[in-house]
Amino acid sequence: EAQVTQNPRYLITVTGKKLTVTCSQNMNHEYMSWYRQDPGLGLRQIYYSMNVEVTDKGDVPEGYKVSRKEKRNFPLILESPSPNQTSLYFCASSFMANTEAFFGQGTRLTVV
Amino acid sequence: EDQVTQSPEALRLQEGESSSLNCSYTVSGLRGLFWYRQDPGKGPEFLFTLYSAGEEKEKERLKATLTKKESFLHITAPKPEDSATYLCAVFMEYGNKLVFGAGTILRVKS
Repeated sequence: EAQVTQNPRYLITVTGKKLTVTCSQNMNHEYMSWYRQDPGLGLRQIYYSMNVEVTDKGDVPEGYKVSRKEKRNFPLILESPSPNQTSLYFCASSFMANTEAFFGQGTRLTVV
Repeated sequence: EDQVTQSPEALRLQEGESSSLNCSYTVSGLRGLFWYRQDPGKGPEFLFTLYSAGEEKEKERLKATLTKKESFLHITAPKPEDSATYLCAVFMEYGNKLVFGAGTILRVKS
C-alpha cells in the first residue's frame, strides 16, 4: 500500500530536549516536505527536499533541521524545542514538486 | 507577498443545498493549484490539481475551476459525509514552495 509514515503520532517533551520526527515514503517520490498546522494559520511549509541531498527552507524554517540521505526518508529535527513549536506536524511526498502530495497521519507535538 | 486566501472560513449547508468555496491567490507565477480535503485528526487528502486558467475537474459532487486569480470548489447537492475542512494550495513558479490557504470548514446537516 502506498503510504507516508510518520513517527511518533504523539509526543510530549520538555523545552530544550532534542527530538526527531521520522518520515518515510514507499512510493519512490522525489519531492518531500514538512508542514506545521496551527489553528487559523493553516498549513505552513517548514522545509522541502527536491531529491536526495537537496533540501531548502520553506516559510517557517527557524528552529528546525532536516536531512535527506536516502530517497525514502526525510526526518525533521528539533535541536532545542521551545513551547512555540507546539503544533501538529505533517510530512508529505509527491512524484514531482508540483504534483499531488500524499500526507502522513500527522505528529502532534507538545513542548512544555 | 505571495498569498492564498480562502473564503468563507466556515460554511454550514443543509443536505442537498449546493454552494461554492473560493480560493484567491496573489503569487508570482502559478505552477499548479491544488484542492485537498482534511478530516479531523487526519492528514490532507488530495482532490484536484488545476494547472491553467479555464481548466475544470470533477469528482462525484465536487467540481473545481480555475481563473487567473482564483479557484472555486463547487459542491452540488452535498451530503453529511462531505463535511470536512477543504484546503487550497498554490505551487509557485519561483521557489518550489507550496503555499496553503487557511481552509474552509464545511458542515453539512441532514
